[in-house]
Amino acid sequence: DQQVKQNSPSLSVQEGRISILNCDYTNSMFDYFLWYKKYPAEGPTFLISISSIKDKNEDGRFTVFLNKSAKHLSLHIVPSQPGDSAVYFCAANRDDKIIFGKGTRLHILP
Amino acid sequence: KAGVTQTPRYLIKTRGQQVTLSCSPISGHRSVSWYQQTPGQGLQFLFEYFSETQRNKGNFPGRFSGRQFSNSRSEMNVSTLELGDSALYLCASSLGTDGLNTEAFFGQGTRLTVV
Repeated sequence: DQQVKQNSPSLSVQEGRISILNCDYTNSMFDYFLWYKKYPAEGPTFLISISSIKDKNEDGRFTVFLNKSAKHLSLHIVPSQPGDSAVYFCAANRDDKIIFGKGTRLHILP
Repeated sequence: KAGVTQTPRYLIKTRGQQVTLSCSPISGHRSVSWYQQTPGQGLQFLFEYFSETQRNKGNFPGRFSGRQFSNSRSEMNVSTLELGDSALYLCASSLGTDGLNTEAFFGQGTRLTVV
């Protein structure tokens, strides 16, 4: 049973445009939601998080939106840059157990 | 401060052998989690250790085991290796204390190839 789902395995976005990565979850008891970015041959690196009591968190070009009623969160990257090409993992945290989605590969096109 | 260190970075083993992977967390972090990453399955949770005790466990067979030492360093062991165990094994450390933002910091991983 997959508790955190990223239904798009890949996404291509033109440089300068907005990238929107989506994530759905099934467990309403999650406390925190996190996004990680992963380059090949490296471990994932933390990008941005949001508490379950908030609906939006911004950090520079990255904004995460949380819709608790729909059990859905999204990561917006504006504007998209070539260095943003990577695999993005959505994750949910409860009691220090972090559950990851399968990831979405983002390609930023020149 | 130093990040999460995993050793070795690369490993080649034959079927039936066993392997031990090591992870040194960030200083002060008491929680260490292990993940298996394969192209088809993404990141799958193996288990989490906190203060030398296994606190959470994923859905992996008993061939996969781990332990944590008093200095928070952790080891993961896989016995009777199978071809399907070939993967990138990632270790993540976090403070592990309830109520805090427990984002995890990952090591670079150990690439295990079983032949």
